[in-house]
Amino acid sequence: DTGVSQDPRHKITKRGQNVTFRCDPISEHNRLYWYRQTLGQGPEFLTYFQNEAQLEKSRLLSDRFSAERPKGSFSTLEIQRTEQGDSAMYLCASSSNPTNNEQFFGPGTRLTVL
Amino acid sequence: EDQVTQSPEALRLQEGESSSLNCSYTVSGLRGLFWYRQDPGKGPEFLFTLYSAGEEKEKERLKATLTKKESFLHITAPKPEDSATYLCAVHPGDYKLSFGAGTTVTVRA
Repeated sequence: DTGVSQDPRHKITKRGQNVTFRCDPISEHNRLYWYRQTLGQGPEFLTYFQNEAQLEKSRLLSDRFSAERPKGSFSTLEIQRTEQGDSAMYLCASSSNPTNNEQFFGPGTRLTVL
Repeated sequence: EDQVTQSPEALRLQEGESSSLNCSYTVSGLRGLFWYRQDPGKGPEFLFTLYSAGEEKEKERLKATLTKKESFLHITAPKPEDSATYLCAVHPGDYKLSFGAGTTVTVRA
């Protein structure tokens, strides 16, 4: 399978704990995006990487959130001191075409904060 | 600010009963409008990109059309396997997509 992969698929944690998610984009896609989706809503943009550079962060991304893409390949999203409001599906997408920006999504990581 | 509104929120169809989903948008400088399909617990699956008013694209029982203010996703003679949430998103020319809340389609056999 050469699509976008995410790990883990599900994560249950207690409030206050730190969690880290991983995303492996489609090979040779230089653009990588993180979105968050809550029940009944569409995905909301969190952050964007072009190669290893993080070029934009949404105001949704509080100081407890940090994302990296150290070698321009896979990316990690860390949430520190999780809160119940962080419970959501975290989606990763990648693209290669800057003109049409067609983004291909992974299966997501479902986070539940107890 | 970009706005994408999808209607209806939910649509229940009988197998074979054709219908349309609406996506209305407000965006400066539209570079593309996207349709995705999302099954429960999974990530969105890319369906179509439309670039300019008057453009149409088809895939199996789905046809997407675009005007200057809205897009329609027509489902012709749907089958139960077409049951999913259909998401519309706009690309205003920067890097991110702005999504609507989706229309959940249920097709009964």
